This record gives sequence, C-alpha cells and structure tokens, in this order.
Amino acid sequence: SYELTQPPSVSVSPGQTASITCSGDKLGDKYAYWYQQKPGQSPVLVIYQDTKRPSGIPERFSGSNSGNTATLTISGTLAMDEADYYCQAWDSSAYVFGAGTKVTVL
Amino acid sequence: EVQLVESGGGLVQPGGSLRLSCAASGFTFSSYEMNWVRQAPGKGLEWVSYISRSGSIIYYADSVKGRFTISRDNAKNSLYLQMNSLRAEDTAVYYCARVPNTARAFDIWGQGTMVTVSS
Repeated sequence: SYELTQPPSVSVSPGQTASITCSGDKLGDKYAYWYQQKPGQSPVLVIYQDTKRPSGIPERFSGSNSGNTATLTISGTLAMDEADYYCQAWDSSAYVFGAGTKVTVL
Repeated sequence: EVQLVESGGGLVQPGGSLRLSCAASGFTFSSYEMNWVRQAPGKGLEWVSYISRSGSIIYYADSVKGRFTISRDNAKNSLYLQMNSLRAEDTAVYYCARVPNTARAFDIWGQGTMVTVSS
C-alpha cells in the first residue's frame, strides 16, 4: 500500500519560515493535501491540489509538490500556527495520510 | 452553516458492535461523497471508509474490511458506520468528513465521536 513519510517534528521561531515535507513514491504525479490540527480540535484543510488555499486560510500557508516530495511552507509563522500537520494523497481507491508533523513555535 | 455532527460512540467490549451516525446540515448532502476517518488517542489520522453520492461505490481501509459497513440515507441527510467484531485497536475518535466536488480531500469535518473498545 502507498505510504507518505513526514518528519515527526519541526521547530520554528516566530516570524520565520517553517517547511514541512511529505515524501511518497512519485507523489508529484498525484495531488497532495495538507491539514492543520490543533489539540482537541478537528482537522482543517489548509492546502488542496498541491498549491491551492481554501477560503479563509491565510496567505502565509503555501504548498508545492514535485518528484517524490510535497512541501507545506508557513511564512512568517505565528504562535497560533503551532499544531500538528498532516499530508494526504489519494492512491488506488484509498485515502492515505502521513503520520503527521508537530510544528512547535519557539 | 455547513455542519457535520457525529453520534453513537461509547464504550463497547471486544467483539461487540456499534453504529455511528453523522447528521449533515447546511448543504445538499446527496451531492457530496462522504468518508469516515479515525484517530486513535495520541496518534495520527487514519482513513476508514468512503461512500459515493448515491452509495453505489464504497471503499474500505484494509484494517476494517469485512468488519465495518458504511452507508448513507440521502433523504435523512445522514451517514452511518456499522462496526462489528470490534477490537481494542479500533479505539479512536471517529470523524465523518465531506469530500469537495473538486478534490480528493476532506473539506468539512465533524467534531468526532469517541469509540472505546475495552473489557
């Protein structure tokens, strides 16, 4: 079955840029999606179809996807961006999630 | 307001059964594909099952195939998950989630309902 690999954690200083990677075999041939989940809350879609932001998602969230790696970038990170982030793809009639990356804003 | 509200979770013994429900409001339920996604305590997200708009196409994760059954009632704006032969590893928060018409993702999530499988 298809697998997506994310780093367990990423640390970033306020105002700096956080980059979260998601790796999978030929992931660039599929669409990548990203979700933000804060403690005790349901996930929120922050990037869809590699680069698009749903309505209401701040411009500081951006995405890219090429080769075997998709990347979620948070520019000018705020304290409120501290959360778990999950990548997701669709493969062989199944939705696949990465294990998640905890972003800590120090 | 677009909303999904799950119910039906609780404590059940190993080998037991439970039926989850998800009530949709604020959108035309029959026009959207739906899914169940779960999250074990302290763990990541795991997709469980998918159902098409009409209910004619259904997919399951290997971990629940043969034990769980997804269904929907478009007249009642409701999604269901019948869970049989429950195991300790099925303990999780279960979310229902909507698929937008333009992407293979989940754009609307419910608040989740907790299922605990324990003796």
